[in-house]
Amino acid sequence: AQTVTQSQPEMSVQEAETVTLSCTYDTSESDYYLFWYKQPPSRQMILVIRQEAYKQQNATENRFSVNFQKAAKSFSLKISDSQLGDAAMYFCAYRSARDDKIIFGKGTRLHILP
Amino acid sequence: DAGITQSPRHKVTETGTPVTLRCHQTENHRYMYWYRQDPGHGLRLIHYSYGVKDTDKGEVSDGYSVSRSKTEDFLLTLESATSSQTSVYFCAIGLARNEQFFGPGTRLTVL
Repeated sequence: AQTVTQSQPEMSVQEAETVTLSCTYDTSESDYYLFWYKQPPSRQMILVIRQEAYKQQNATENRFSVNFQKAAKSFSLKISDSQLGDAAMYFCAYRSARDDKIIFGKGTRLHILP
Repeated sequence: DAGITQSPRHKVTETGTPVTLRCHQTENHRYMYWYRQDPGHGLRLIHYSYGVKDTDKGEVSDGYSVSRSKTEDFLLTLESATSSQTSVYFCAIGLARNEQFFGPGTRLTVL
């Protein structure tokens, strides 16, 4: 069965600095999708960024980018120029191309220090 | 933007009572999902649906049932609520590009 592991339960970063959240996953498949979701205190789940496994190029969305290492099964999220509004719980997630279900990691709570 | 609502948003109930949570979407998305979120566990899939009257179990389906008689509504029922079912429940719909869009969540407390 596929699993998603986020080894950092909590992290802190100074405002305007860069932070990287780690995620590893376990799968025997070659075709899949990876996601980072953000959950602010409002509790709403917000998609931050997605990556298709067949794409070698790392996805980027404004200040958010990923480092996708397929062989190492690693999918880290980098947040540049951290802002107070980035404070949230971040979830890494995996979806097989053959399945309709998404598997979530347990989350990393990110604190932004002013 | 996909529209998705959940009702109720908050509920307190007693052990042994039946509870039904409703998820409503305003577009004709085929896939709908129910998750529960607990501290230290992230989001775990309870049940999902891939069409009217087509449902399947997720990772933590024991104690829950679902129904989908219309495309727009996906109901989650706790036949006899237990304290272990105290949680935040999220509904989601499946979008293009293999993404899921989430509802605002329902906080359920079982006393």
